[in-house]
Amino acid sequence: DQQVKQNSPSLSVQEGRISILNCDYTNSMFDYFLWYKKYPAEGPTFLISISSIKDKNEDGRFTVFLNKSAKHLSLHIVPSQPGDSAVYFCAASAGSASKIIFGSGTRLSIRP
Amino acid sequence: NAGVTQTPKFQVLKTGQSMTLQCAQDMNHEYMSWYRQDPGMGLRLIHYSVGAGITDQGEVPNGYNVSRSTTEDFPLRLLSAAPSQTSVYFCASRPTGYNEQFFGPGTRLTVL
Repeated sequence: DQQVKQNSPSLSVQEGRISILNCDYTNSMFDYFLWYKKYPAEGPTFLISISSIKDKNEDGRFTVFLNKSAKHLSLHIVPSQPGDSAVYFCAASAGSASKIIFGSGTRLSIRP
Repeated sequence: NAGVTQTPKFQVLKTGQSMTLQCAQDMNHEYMSWYRQDPGMGLRLIHYSVGAGITDQGEVPNGYNVSRSTTEDFPLRLLSAAPSQTSVYFCASRPTGYNEQFFGPGTRLTVL
């Protein structure tokens, strides 16, 4: 049973527009959420995170929103740039010492 | 710092062969983990360790063994390789108290 779900395998967005990537989770014990970005033939790299005590965290063009009642989080990228084309993974953990569970990823393509 | 290093980058095995995927980090991180990435399945946790001498199972541990004799190294052993273990394997580490993981570049394994 997948505890972290990314239901959109792919997303295509025009350059300059907003990209919105979604993630749902089922485990109510999760209290920390992360987004990772992955280019082909490389390891994932950390992008942005949010604690369950917040509902929004912003870092430059990237903003993560958390809706605990819906067990849903989203990553907003604005404006989208060609270098944002990558696979994005949502991840979650229950406590800083616990294992981190990843979703299946969403492939984002930014078109000119 | 070299960060998280993995060897080999590529490996081809025959069914039934054994091998060890190596992972090392020079950041003195207590927490280390192994993931496999498969198309449509995202990153699935195989095993993880919260410190030297302590290991635990993740989501998909069957067919894999780990040990953690030092803080720096966390090898992953395939005792009898099967075609279902064809995948890209990533090792990751993080410091105690933090959720953001640092990933290695990955090992692409093919089992014939």
